[in-house]
Amino acid sequence: GGIITQTPKFLIGQEGQKLTLKCQQNFNHDTMYWYRQDSGKGLRLIYYSITENDLQKGDLSEGYDASREKKSSFSLTVTSAQKNEMAVFLCASSPDSAETLYFGSGTRLTVL
Amino acid sequence: QQQVRQSSQSLTVWEGETAILNCSYENSAFDYFPWYQQFPGEGPALLIAIRSVSDKKEDGRFTIFFNKREKNLSLHIKDSQPGDSATYFCAARPYNNNAPRFGAGTKLSVKP
Repeated sequence: GGIITQTPKFLIGQEGQKLTLKCQQNFNHDTMYWYRQDSGKGLRLIYYSITENDLQKGDLSEGYDASREKKSSFSLTVTSAQKNEMAVFLCASSPDSAETLYFGSGTRLTVL
Repeated sequence: QQQVRQSSQSLTVWEGETAILNCSYENSAFDYFPWYQQFPGEGPALLIAIRSVSDKKEDGRFTIFFNKREKNLSLHIKDSQPGDSATYFCAARPYNNNAPRFGAGTKLSVKP
């Protein structure tokens, strides 16, 4: 089996700060995702990547950048943290068919 | 706008009852519908899934009923157990890309 590792588990930032979340997978999956989880709103897709150096915008990409420099890693940058950014950010990977997504346990972001 | 809708934010049932969680969608491009189960502090994990060519998928106590014409589906959890208490996400994957969309989730509580 494989594992998705998200770092850090908890991230505290100041309003206006640029913050980076990291994700690593050892499944050797081609596709990786970033979702944002807010209470009552479920999971919303921010970015995904179907291969190294590929980036595809999701439904909530404004205010975020992403980077897929290696097949095994996918990072997400909050370009200017806002107080309403407080949420859990979930990284996932999947084989080509995207029939099963394997999720990490998330990074909880708090903006002061 | 949410492309996948779950009608209840929360649901409480007694141990032994059948829990029914409902989901609907609008996009006809969706052809694969997984349900994910999430426990607190963890990422979601695939529970059961159905393809749009089928109208029913059963796996142990879990059954998906799918109505393509009405664009809705439901997850039935038979003989609910306290260990089934979790948040359940309905998701949908379009046939033409690898980016599943998720509903807002239903938090199920099973009382002993």
